Amino acid sequence: LAKTTQPISMDSYEGQEVNITCSHNNIATNDYITWYQQFPSQGPRFIIQGYKTKVTNEVASLFIPADRKSSTLSLPRVSLSDTAVYYCLVDLPTGANNLFFGTGTRLTVIP
Amino acid sequence: NAGVTQTPKFQVLKTGQSMTLQCAQDMNHNSMYWYRQDPGMGLRLIYYSASEGTTDKGEVPNGYNVSRLNKREFSLRLESAAPSQTSVYFCASSEPARPGTDTQYFGPGTRLTVL
Repeated sequence: LAKTTQPISMDSYEGQEVNITCSHNNIATNDYITWYQQFPSQGPRFIIQGYKTKVTNEVASLFIPADRKSSTLSLPRVSLSDTAVYYCLVDLPTGANNLFFGTGTRLTVIP
Repeated sequence: NAGVTQTPKFQVLKTGQSMTLQCAQDMNHNSMYWYRQDPGMGLRLIYYSASEGTTDKGEVPNGYNVSRLNKREFSLRLESAAPSQTSVYFCASSEPARPGTDTQYFGPGTRLTVL
């Protein structure tokens, strides 16, 4: 089962770039990597998804090395509103009982 | 588009009582999910439904039952609530654009307390 490992927490000052790394050693060939953001008392929200190399959208970038055993979510110039828990999820093409959210990374942005 | 809606938002039960959590989505998604999230923890999958008429167990199914009533609705039932089921329950739905790219859309959650 392709579980993921992330740091439990990170702190960053406003305006800095934040990189959160996720380890997924058992990722399978067909797996995509998806990151979600969760604010207190809300459901998780999709941020970005990728398969290999680099993906960028208006919110974040996702870097995936060639071996795909890890991935890094990059948040440029964070603000206080980016304080949230970030989850790395490795999707499988079949069998939702293999969809495991880890404990996530609690990012705290400091003024 | 309301997305994924859940009712109720809050519920307090006594041990042994039963209740059903309701979830509906208006995005025409085939897949629907129920998660629980305990304080300070990640989400754990309880049950999921890949399509109308099918359901499957997730990581923590004990003590729960589900019904995929139609394509829109997916309910979660606690037959005999226990304090260990105190949690926030999230419903989600998804429709992969292509194989392996399942993006889930979550509801606002139901905060359940069992005394």
